[in-house]
Amino acid sequence: DVKVTQSSRYLVKRTGEKVFLECVQDMDHENMFWYRQDPGLGLRLIYFSYDVKMKEKGDIPEGYSVSREKKERFSLILESASTNQTSMYLCASSLVQSNQPQHFGDGTRLSIL
Amino acid sequence: ILNVEQSPQSLHVQEGDSTNFTCSFPSSNFYALHWYRWETAKSPEALFVMTLNGDEKKKGRISATLNTKEGYSYLYIKGSQPEDSATYLCAFITGTASKLTFGTGTRLQVTL
Repeated sequence: DVKVTQSSRYLVKRTGEKVFLECVQDMDHENMFWYRQDPGLGLRLIYFSYDVKMKEKGDIPEGYSVSREKKERFSLILESASTNQTSMYLCASSLVQSNQPQHFGDGTRLSIL
Repeated sequence: ILNVEQSPQSLHVQEGDSTNFTCSFPSSNFYALHWYRWETAKSPEALFVMTLNGDEKKKGRISATLNTKEGYSYLYIKGSQPEDSATYLCAFITGTASKLTFGTGTRLQVTL
């Protein structure tokens, strides 16, 4: 079974802090994704990566950056956390073909105070 | 941003009832349609990936159909059970490197 592991289930940070969310997958998937989930808005794509050191902006990249130095690890960085970034963050991975499902981590509920 | 619409937003049924939900998506430049089940306190789990017009997929009591020409997919649950309670998400790919656009989901609650 594919395992996607996110480093924290719950995280509380302060406004202005630099925040790192880590995601690791164990199935050698090419694609990795970061989403955020907010009530009434569905899952929205922040960034995705289709290979090591490759990244593409999703629908809401502002205020975020990502890093993919190794194939199995995809990090989401909040450069200077703000209260409107309080949300549930989900990481996912998949094989490169569009007919392959995405496999999700358990999510990180991030609160910015 | 492409729009994926799901209806209804929420649904409350009794154990044993059959139910269905709708996912509407842009019919142009279609690549694939995904269905996921997301139970509370768990991660979203893939149910189906559908790529061809007229596709029908089945997994136990759950099945799905796809009409790419008119841009909709139906998810059916036969004989709902309490363990079917979850949010059901559909997502659409336009072909850009597996980038999914999700609907807001249908929240199903099944009671005894």
